[in-house]
Amino acid sequence: TQLLEQSPQFLSIQEGENLTVYCNSSSVFSSLQWYRQEPGEGPVLLVTVVTGGEVKKLKRLTFQFGDARKDSSLHITAAQPGDTGLYLCAGDKDAGGTSYGKLTFGQGTILTVHP
Amino acid sequence: GAGVSQSPRYKVAKRGQDVALRCDPISGHVSLFWYQQALGQGPEFLTYFQNEAQLDKSGLPSDRFFAERPEGSVSTLKIQRTQQEDSAVYLCASSLADRGISYNSPLHFGNGTRLTVT
Repeated sequence: TQLLEQSPQFLSIQEGENLTVYCNSSSVFSSLQWYRQEPGEGPVLLVTVVTGGEVKKLKRLTFQFGDARKDSSLHITAAQPGDTGLYLCAGDKDAGGTSYGKLTFGQGTILTVHP
Repeated sequence: GAGVSQSPRYKVAKRGQDVALRCDPISGHVSLFWYQQALGQGPEFLTYFQNEAQLDKSGLPSDRFFAERPEGSVSTLKIQRTQQEDSAVYLCASSLADRGISYNSPLHFGNGTRLTVT
């Protein structure tokens, strides 16, 4: 079983602070995705990283895929109340396997940004 | 354009009842997935369809769970003799890619059906 461990599970911060969410596994993934989920809605894809060491930026969000493709991080700069939500990482089949999108999700990080 | 549509949004069932959950994927999307999301957890894979073919059902928790996609578009997830542990949000997702997902054809999730078994 491929497991993705996310930390922290809960994060409560003030507007303007920076934060980092981690996603770790002992397994290698061919790609890793980050999603954001609002209450009552489905997850929405933020980014996909596929190359070990890859860094992607999306406005105030920075995503990094570990060199060994076993871990990833999401860093948010100057958090805003609109960033509040559940952040999920999800890995797609280990390298060398046939990938078809059977994602393994982490348990999620609930982020609350207070005004 | 319409996204993935799921119905009903909420379903309350008494233990032992059968339920059917519907998913209308984005038109033309070949791949369709069902995931189960328990409260406070990330989604867990249930099953995968490529058009009408169910290529992977390894995540279905028991033989009480059955999914179909007879014409390669709409899919139904059926749960027979519901139990309290079946209470969860059931998410459907579709992708244009003919084999799951790809970098340019990501998963699009519906808003889910919240099932409560009493």
